[in-house]
Amino acid sequence: KAGVTQTPRYLIKTRGQQVTLSCSPISGHRSVSWYQQTPGQGLQFLFEYFSETQRNKGNFPGRFSGRQFSNSRSEMNVSTLELGDSALYLCASSQAGTLLATNEKLFFGSGTQLSVL
Amino acid sequence: AQTVTQSQPEMSVQEAETVTLSCTYDTSESDYYLFWYKQPPSRQMILVIRQEAYKQQNATENRFSVNFQKAAKSFSLKISDSQLGDAAMYFCAYRSVWGGADGLTFGKGTHLIIQP
Repeated sequence: KAGVTQTPRYLIKTRGQQVTLSCSPISGHRSVSWYQQTPGQGLQFLFEYFSETQRNKGNFPGRFSGRQFSNSRSEMNVSTLELGDSALYLCASSQAGTLLATNEKLFFGSGTQLSVL
Repeated sequence: AQTVTQSQPEMSVQEAETVTLSCTYDTSESDYYLFWYKQPPSRQMILVIRQEAYKQQNATENRFSVNFQKAAKSFSLKISDSQLGDAAMYFCAYRSVWGGADGLTFGKGTHLIIQP
C-alpha cells in the first residue's frame, strides 16, 4: 500500500504570493490532517478533514485554508504569504471511523518544505 | 487546552544501551491517546508506540516500551538495546478521543543521539 504522498517536496515563494500544497492519503483513509512544523513553534495543528468536512481547525489566521475532495485527497492554501510562514508542512491520514470520534493511528507524509523570501 | 512537555532537548546513549525519554502532559480529560513519534532526517513522522489512557497496562512494541502513569500525567519512552537507526527526533503527542480543536498536541521533541 502506498503511503501518504505530499507534493511538492520543496517550494520557494516570495512574500505576498499564495501557495497550494497537495496531500494524497493512504488508500481507504477518510481523514486528513495538516500540521505546521517550525524550529521555534514546533509542531502545530492546522486543520483536519473527514469525508470532505472540516472537523477541526487550529489557531491559525484565515490566510490558511484547506479542503478535501471526494477521493479524500486534500489541499491546503496559504494566501498573502509572510516570512513567518516558512515551515515544513506535514500531512497525515487516518482510517477515522466517524466525524466525531478520532482514530489514534496517524500516518504522516514526508512534508513540503516551504521557504518564503 | 492540553499541553505536552518534553524536558530533555537532547539525549545521548551508547549503542546497545537503554535510554529513557521523558514526557509529561496536562489535561482535564479522562479519555485520550498518547503517542511517541520518531522523526528521522527524512522528515517523515513515524509512529513508534501508542497508549490508550483507559488501559493500565503499559504498551510495548519490540524494543520500545512506555511507562504510563495516568495520575502523575507522565508518559516516558524506554528504548532497549539502542541501535544506530534509532537516532532521530522523538516527539511525545496527545490526542483527545473525541476530537477537539487541537488535533495532535506535540511536545517540543528530544533529539536522540546514538554513540557507536
